[in-house]
Amino acid sequence: QLQLQESGSGLVKPSQTLSLTCTVSGGAINTGGYSWSWIRQSPGQGLEWIGTVYPTGSTHFNPSLKSRVTMSADGSNNQFSLRLTSVTAADTAVYFCARNNSHFGMDLWGQGTTITVSS
Amino acid sequence: QSVLTQPPSVSGAPGQRVTISCTGGSSNIGAGYDVHWYQQLPGTAPKLLIYGWRHRPSGVPDRFSGSRSGTSASLAITGLQAEDESDYYCLSYDSSLSGYVFGTGTKVTVL
Repeated sequence: QLQLQESGSGLVKPSQTLSLTCTVSGGAINTGGYSWSWIRQSPGQGLEWIGTVYPTGSTHFNPSLKSRVTMSADGSNNQFSLRLTSVTAADTAVYFCARNNSHFGMDLWGQGTTITVSS
Repeated sequence: QSVLTQPPSVSGAPGQRVTISCTGGSSNIGAGYDVHWYQQLPGTAPKLLIYGWRHRPSGVPDRFSGSRSGTSASLAITGLQAEDESDYYCLSYDSSLSGYVFGTGTKVTVL
């Protein structure tokens, strides 16, 4: 069974860069038909799509975050990553990674990792 | 602010039927993009409940059903149970944003 696990620094200082990795086990990330997404949830708030990386390496980002987001996929290590620059307290959230398919939606999720932006 | 609007809360007694609406527009639901529904229990990751408007993944009870009409989608829960008390979100694609959008979320309370 495919599983996703987020990892990264839990505490990031304001103005610095948040870096997260999602490790996929039980299957290859370059399997056709699937892309890989990051989603976040601020405390007490709803879900916010951050961006998606496709098997081709192309990416799509939430317009509200586009200027600060980078995503990439590493097929050799079966991982994909997120970088968010110039973070502020508003970026404090639980960050989830997920497998994505246009018909099935985001069908598999990691358990989430809490990121706090604070000095 | 999300382009997919859901009621903040709905409630029902055990055994009753409740519905959650997800109202969008011509660039998302109205354009025919698939709508998916998620259940999120406190402190956990969202779980896929309905995909492609009305399909249930293996293991999801048939008490949950999805439908669409114009620029809206709906999730119905029949035979409401205490374990259904949770937050629910819809998800679709928006062509004007060139990306995915989640609904605002609905908290279901079992009275």
